[in-house]
Amino acid sequence: DTAVSQTPKYLVTQMGNDKSIKCEQNLGHDTMYWYKQDSKKFLKIMFSYNNKELIINETVPNRFSPKSPDKAHLNLHINSLELGDSAVYFCASSRSGIYNEQFFGPGTRLTVL
Amino acid sequence: KQEVTQIPAALSVPEGENLVLNCSFTDSAIYNLQWFRQDPGKGLTSLLLIQSSQREQTSGRLNASLDKSSGRSTLYIAASQPGDSATYLCAVRHLTDGQNFVFGPGTRLSVLP
Repeated sequence: DTAVSQTPKYLVTQMGNDKSIKCEQNLGHDTMYWYKQDSKKFLKIMFSYNNKELIINETVPNRFSPKSPDKAHLNLHINSLELGDSAVYFCASSRSGIYNEQFFGPGTRLTVL
Repeated sequence: KQEVTQIPAALSVPEGENLVLNCSFTDSAIYNLQWFRQDPGKGLTSLLLIQSSQREQTSGRLNASLDKSSGRSTLYIAASQPGDSATYLCAVRHLTDGQNFVFGPGTRLSVLP
């Protein structure tokens, strides 16, 4: 009965590769998010998305793109991976609206060699 | 630009002590503030969400207060237990970027048996 799940949990890959991380939520939420937690443990928003609007943090390179096949899924595609992309990526979801709490997935640790 | 800080960065206490974690934010125009805990290698678990119109929220041994005008929130943990050991993060959702939370760097708490 996992609320927000991500796959894979660990991802090790070479520079230049293209990879995807999947996220699914079974909470019936309509807004999903991707966050990046770097080596210093700072969590920063990358994207927020509901069925109407994608909001992109302006600091996110366009090599990163979210894709949502339906309301329960928001996958993260990364092209031409770089060493600096190594981090833990967290997916989260909430009901739409500013007053609702966010629920997080377990994270995907990406290591780029 | 909203900035969130948390003091102290790390805290070690003996079991049974009451303790307070602090969170400060620079822009008081917020919708709400959420406290999370993060266990090593794990995702974030939501603890408390406190709306801007509220002064405090309680859940079990946890009590979060919010003083919006001074840009501060505290998380009070009563009768601490070794199982409370984790990193505690606060995040604010502010008016100029209503979809997204801005996270603090966290306080790493160790409760010693």
